Amino acid sequence: GENVEQHPSTLSVQEGDSAVIKCTYSDSASNYFPWYKQELGKGPQLIIDIRSNVGEKKDQRIAVTLNKTAKHFSLHITETQPEDSAVYFCAASGVSYGKLTFGQGTILTVHP
Amino acid sequence: SAVISQKPSRDICQRGTSLTIQCQVDSQVTMMFWYRQQPGQSLTLIATANQGSEATYESGFVIDKFPISRPNLTFSTLTVSNMSPEDSSIYLCSDSGPQETQYFGPGTRLLVL
Repeated sequence: GENVEQHPSTLSVQEGDSAVIKCTYSDSASNYFPWYKQELGKGPQLIIDIRSNVGEKKDQRIAVTLNKTAKHFSLHITETQPEDSAVYFCAASGVSYGKLTFGQGTILTVHP
Repeated sequence: SAVISQKPSRDICQRGTSLTIQCQVDSQVTMMFWYRQQPGQSLTLIATANQGSEATYESGFVIDKFPISRPNLTFSTLTVSNMSPEDSSIYLCSDSGPQETQYFGPGTRLLVL
């Protein structure tokens, strides 16, 4: 089955800096890659996603890139703000529709 | 996106008892899923809740321990049976539409003593 590795496990940045979180996946059939933000006491919130026919997608301060050949995808957050502090999860979905395999999560802390 | 609610939001239960968690979506959705998030960990898919038929369970999860119902396209329940402290987790339901985009409910925080 699919295996998703996520790095780093913790990331600490100063407000205004950029943050990058990377994930690799094992199943070349995977074709959908969402990113979720989970704040304390809440469920995961979808922040951006990308499909295998696209190499990059951007939404304001957030961007995701996908390298199908290398089987890795990354989340980029620019101009970070303290409210970006949360746990971020990447995920991959492939052959089985809707079945998401999650990475281990990254605790992002943005210092004012 | 559909709005998902879960009940209860949290509970403390005694070992050996069972708890049923409800998941309500405000519009009809194609698929519903149940996940478990153990303390400080990532999300693991328990099963896909199929409307009108038996749920499809992932490896390591069985129907006797986690019976699931989905009587219609907007509602599902997950029961955690014969609980032990190891079942202490956040249980999350999610939905998925035609574009495979998946949204999560707020979760049910379960503590088993």
